[in-house]
Amino acid sequence: GAVVSQHPSRVICKSGTSVKIECRSLDFQATTMFWYRQFPKKSLMLMATSNEGSKATYEQGVEKDKFLINHASLTLSTLTVTSAHPEDSSFYICSATPPGIYGYTFGSGTRLTVV
Amino acid sequence: QQQVKQSPQSLIVQKGGISIINCAYENTAFDYFPWYQQFPGKGPALLIAIRPDVSEKKEGRFTISFNKSAKQFSLHIMDSQPGDSATYFCAATDPGGKLIFGQGTELSVKP
Repeated sequence: GAVVSQHPSRVICKSGTSVKIECRSLDFQATTMFWYRQFPKKSLMLMATSNEGSKATYEQGVEKDKFLINHASLTLSTLTVTSAHPEDSSFYICSATPPGIYGYTFGSGTRLTVV
Repeated sequence: QQQVKQSPQSLIVQKGGISIINCAYENTAFDYFPWYQQFPGKGPALLIAIRPDVSEKKEGRFTISFNKSAKQFSLHIMDSQPGDSATYFCAATDPGGKLIFGQGTELSVKP
């Protein structure tokens, strides 16, 4: 089946530093990937749509300069949280749709803690 | 218009019982309605999904009932088991491909 791998699963960083999260489609090519943010006991909030070879599309209220998205290949999208602050601490999840399949496969998520 | 409203927020069911989670939407352009199961610290996993031209879909112990005129759909988990204890999300896809999630239901199945 279609697998989306996310790395790292957990990361702790100091306030003011940047952290990069990788999302890979392991057995299919994904021209589009999605990034979500989830707070404890809350729903998933779509942050942005990552498009291979072009700029990401951000949802209203999401800071483009803070959450940098790069989709450099058909199997890899990255989310970089720049100048992280404690309020950026959250669970970040990516997803992609395998070609020919109507549905979304999610990665296992990344728990970011900013101290 | 883009909201998907889910209830209840939490649900406690005895082992062997039926778990029922309900969702409602406003946007008639939504064209795909999946349900996801999420365990703590993990990403959501697709459980079952339905298109609006179908009124019911069953896969094992999981059934989606879909009422297009009422703009409502529900998930029924038959013979609920402790291993079903998780958070369940309904969702809907708009024609642009965006997945809109409901608020989530935390299900606890007691032995």
